[in-house]
Amino acid sequence: KQEVTQIPAALSVPEGENLVLNCSFTDSAIYNLQWFRQDPGKGLTSLLLIQSSQREQTSGRLNASLDKSSGRSTLYIAASQPGDSATYLCAVRSWSGNTPLVFGKGTRLSVIA
Amino acid sequence: DAGITQSPRHKVTETGTPVTLRCHQTENHRYMYWYRQDPGHGLRLIHYSYGVKDTDKGEVSDGYSVSRSKTEDFLLTLESATSSQTSVYFCAISDRAETQYFGPGTRLLVL
Repeated sequence: KQEVTQIPAALSVPEGENLVLNCSFTDSAIYNLQWFRQDPGKGLTSLLLIQSSQREQTSGRLNASLDKSSGRSTLYIAASQPGDSATYLCAVRSWSGNTPLVFGKGTRLSVIA
Repeated sequence: DAGITQSPRHKVTETGTPVTLRCHQTENHRYMYWYRQDPGHGLRLIHYSYGVKDTDKGEVSDGYSVSRSKTEDFLLTLESATSSQTSVYFCAISDRAETQYFGPGTRLLVL
């Protein structure tokens, strides 16, 4: 059974700092991996989708990497801003493709001005 | 944003009453999902659908049923609500195994 872990559960950084959020998964036979952002009281917003054949994806100040062999993904946020404060979740879809996403419990990020 | 709406957005009900939550999409996506989100547990899959009238159970399906009679609508029913079903419920959609999009959520309080 696939399990997804995100450490740390919470992180506080000063504005302007570059930071890395970590995601690990137990079964490396994945189809793709997706990073989401969730603001308090809101739904999840998709940030980046990485296919199993890809090593990384970029969107603005966000860069997500994938290392299937080690069962790890990282979300890099450059020049953090207070508006980046949110919970970030990663989720993996297994190789069969049509299976639902398995989610980590998220990292709650606070960027202090 | 993907066209997903959930209704109602907030609901308070009493233990033992049936409750139906609705998810509506305008994207014509094949897959639809119901999750619940609780502190300490994260997002957990209740049921999902891979086509009209095609559904399957998720991790926490006990006490819940679903129906999908049209591509655009996916209903989640709590047959007899219990306090343990107090939660935030999210609907999501995806086209095959690609990007998954979430609705705004429904806050359910069972007294």
